[in-house]
Amino acid sequence: SQELEQSPQSLIVQEGKNLTINCTSSKTLYGLYWYKQKYGEGLIFLMMLQKGGEEKSHEKITAKLDEKKQQSSLHITASQPSHAGIYLCGAAGGGADGLTFGKGTHLIIQP
Amino acid sequence: DVKVTQSSRYLVKRTGEKVFLECVQDMDHENMFWYRQDPGLGLRLIYFSYDVKMKEKGDIPEGYSVSREKKERFSLILESASTNQTSMYLCASSPRDRGGLGYTFGSGTRLTVV
Repeated sequence: SQELEQSPQSLIVQEGKNLTINCTSSKTLYGLYWYKQKYGEGLIFLMMLQKGGEEKSHEKITAKLDEKKQQSSLHITASQPSHAGIYLCGAAGGGADGLTFGKGTHLIIQP
Repeated sequence: DVKVTQSSRYLVKRTGEKVFLECVQDMDHENMFWYRQDPGLGLRLIYFSYDVKMKEKGDIPEGYSVSREKKERFSLILESASTNQTSMYLCASSPRDRGGLGYTFGSGTRLTVV
């Protein structure tokens, strides 16, 4: 079965600084999803990557899927308090079965 | 605004009770999913459904059942709640081809079994 490892597990960053979160898969990724979760709430879709080398951006968040399609990174530029939360990567298998998730990265932004 | 709605944000139930968690989506999605989320374990798939009246076991189906009588509604049932089922439960839906926005999640139900 596919496993996703996220690093770091937690991250404390000063407001305004850049940061990167990584997601490494034990198998080739056919679809990689990034979600954000505020504590105690549901998951908010950020981006989906499918092709090796693909890069997508939304506001100050950029996600990339490497050429070999076994790792993705999420980069936040000039972090803000609104970026705080848990970031989760999820990978799609074949068929209708659900996503496999990493355990998440807890991001804290210090003023 | 497209939505996945979970009927309760917080629930407290007693051991042995039968518990129903309801999820409704308004996106005409074929696929629906139930996950539970626990500290240190992340999200784990309990059951999913790819069509009305169809259901498939996920990674941790023991102690749970599901019902999908209508396309928009997917119910998770705890036949006899136990304390180890205290958790955050998240419902999600996706179109058959998982394109576009992919999986959309509800806000979650935090269930405490006492």
